[in-house]
Amino acid sequence: EIVLTQSPDTLSLSPGERATLSCRASQSVGNNYLAWYQQKRGQAPRLLIYEASTRATGIADRFSGSGSGTDFTLTISRLEPEDFAVYYCHQYASSPWTFGLGTKVEIK
Amino acid sequence: EVQLVESGGDLVQPGRSLRLSCRTSGFNFGDFGVGWVRQAPGKGLEWVGFIGKKALGGTMYYAASVKGRFTISRDDSEGIGYLQLSSLKTEDTAVYYCARSSGWLFASWGQGTLVTVSS
Repeated sequence: EIVLTQSPDTLSLSPGERATLSCRASQSVGNNYLAWYQQKRGQAPRLLIYEASTRATGIADRFSGSGSGTDFTLTISRLEPEDFAVYYCHQYASSPWTFGLGTKVEIK
Repeated sequence: EVQLVESGGDLVQPGRSLRLSCRTSGFNFGDFGVGWVRQAPGKGLEWVGFIGKKALGGTMYYAASVKGRFTISRDDSEGIGYLQLSSLKTEDTAVYYCARSSGWLFASWGQGTLVTVSS
């Protein structure tokens, strides 16, 4: 099973600042099948990034993903008020599919 | 518009069974896999299982925590996915989401249905 470790647990930032979220896998993620989801309180997760760096349809270009193998990063270039949420990384390269524990981006 | 709507969540006693439904619209259901993910209160996301499209054999995969107790199925004629939950435990309490899968990727999600297991 691929274990995903996200850091930090919480990121306290102000609107307009840059957010950098990390996701480290316990073994290489095949084909870079690594996705990032955003979840707001009381809502379903929303796909932001797939295959490590491809933005999903309709996702603003301030969201970007990078990395390969075992180290992946989600960057939000300039935080908007609606970006404060919990972010999960997820590998879909091999069963069992797994999620990280999440990084909460909160308003400082 | 792609839509997935879960239903069937309820308060049930430990050891009992429940069937969740995932009704879909806005796309050809038979062309996609269906995944299930759950989220315990205040916790993160946990993958539960997946059923592939029939054209690729309709293979099912399950998380170790639910294997042998949960069963995923699909009705392509109705555009509905199902998650049968049996021998429920208190730790199965969660919001259960279904998701349309493009390849192995959970691209579109429903709003979830709450299952509470308690005596």
